[in-house]
Amino acid sequence: TQLLEQSPQFLSIQEGENLTVYCNSSSVFSSLQWYRQEPGEGPVLLVTVVTGGEVKKLKRLTFQFGDARKDSSLHITAAQPGDTGLYLCAFNDYKLSFGAGTTVTVRA
Amino acid sequence: DAGITQSPRHKVTETGTPVTLRCHQTENHRYMYWYRQDPGHGLRLIHYSYGVKDTDKGEVSDGYSVSRSKTEDFLLTLESATSSQTSVYFCAISESSGWGARGTEAFFGQGTRLTVV
Repeated sequence: TQLLEQSPQFLSIQEGENLTVYCNSSSVFSSLQWYRQEPGEGPVLLVTVVTGGEVKKLKRLTFQFGDARKDSSLHITAAQPGDTGLYLCAFNDYKLSFGAGTTVTVRA
Repeated sequence: DAGITQSPRHKVTETGTPVTLRCHQTENHRYMYWYRQDPGHGLRLIHYSYGVKDTDKGEVSDGYSVSRSKTEDFLLTLESATSSQTSVYFCAISESSGWGARGTEAFFGQGTRLTVV
């Protein structure tokens, strides 16, 4: 059983569309991390959210941490083929644990 | 880029043979982790280390052992490889860990693709 539940598992959209990926749990976290993994590579950190209700922006990517610090979302505006990858949320509480991930495919 | 090197990058081995994967870091980070990645399962923690000679089990530790005799090296050993251990293995490092800690972000190696036939 994974502590972090990610949804959806797969997402395929057309270039220019928007998408949202969710990371949910029944546990409270001091912080959550988001990573992106491209085929054949290791995951790369995108952002860490720390404060409940926090919103962080990274170009066209917007990350939000829930007020209760139990969930987080990643929104991509006007997706591009370069956004294709596996998006993973994680928390590091002595054991760095990941959700199962959302595979995003952006078609040109 | 964080200095993390995994070796080998690819390996094919026979069932029942021992296999050791190496993770080497040049960042002097305290925490090191071994994961396996399989379709539909994301990254699952095998073992992790919080210092030299200090290790603990993750969620899928059966059939695996680890050792950390130096800060920079973390070894993962499959004592007797089985086909179910065919996977991509990733090593990661972080400066710190724990509730509220700073510097908990992880940096990953390039992965080792292991095939057990």
